[in-house]
Amino acid sequence: QEHLLESGGGVVQPGRSLRLSCTASDFTFQNYAMHWVRQAPGKGLEWVAIIAHDGRNKDYVDSVKGRFSISRDNSKKTLYLQMNSLTTEDTAVYFCARSPGWAQYYFDLWGQGTLVTVSS
Amino acid sequence: TVLTQSPGTLSLSPGERATLSCRASQTITFKYLAWYQQKPGQAPRLLVYGASSRATGVPDRFSGSGSGTDFTLTISRLEPEDFAVYYCQQYGNSPWTFGQGTKLEIK
Repeated sequence: QEHLLESGGGVVQPGRSLRLSCTASDFTFQNYAMHWVRQAPGKGLEWVAIIAHDGRNKDYVDSVKGRFSISRDNSKKTLYLQMNSLTTEDTAVYFCARSPGWAQYYFDLWGQGTLVTVSS
Repeated sequence: TVLTQSPGTLSLSPGERATLSCRASQTITFKYLAWYQQKPGQAPRLLVYGASSRATGVPDRFSGSGSGTDFTLTISRLEPEDFAVYYCQQYGNSPWTFGQGTKLEIK
């Protein structure tokens, strides 16, 4: 069964860094664009970043540009999110999600999420 | 593109019909509008994409409609497991954006 599993969340102080990982299973990871989507406690969903299937193209929501970096290792079927200069506004559950095809940037498969808490 | 969902909360009973609205601040090209269901402590689940295409495994009591700036998710006859939060999402323009959600609660 197709599956995404995030890891790497935790409690971190403001200004510090954290790297999230998302491991895919039971589908051809290298064929799909992948995303990070986050959800602050008790709030709605916010798209964060996208990376093309081959890693060549990336895009970010304005609030994380210059601080977050999305990457992938198709040989390991793993997606990453490097988060630097974290602020309390970045506290959220971070989901990795898959888009089914080119220009079809809705999310047909989600991980269970990993909680990032930015607090002193 | 800002998506505004209404109502914020909808209180209905099992067996009733639910109509959820999503209005966009600008035209969504190619009907690139999706709907998701989220239950507490769970990841969202894709229900509808392309405004009206049901995702795999989604019961046919869920239907999506609309175009341009106005979209609707209809649940024809509510089952107990349908009470959750529903989000719309546009994928016509980056940044991909979500509505703020509609909470469907048991009356």
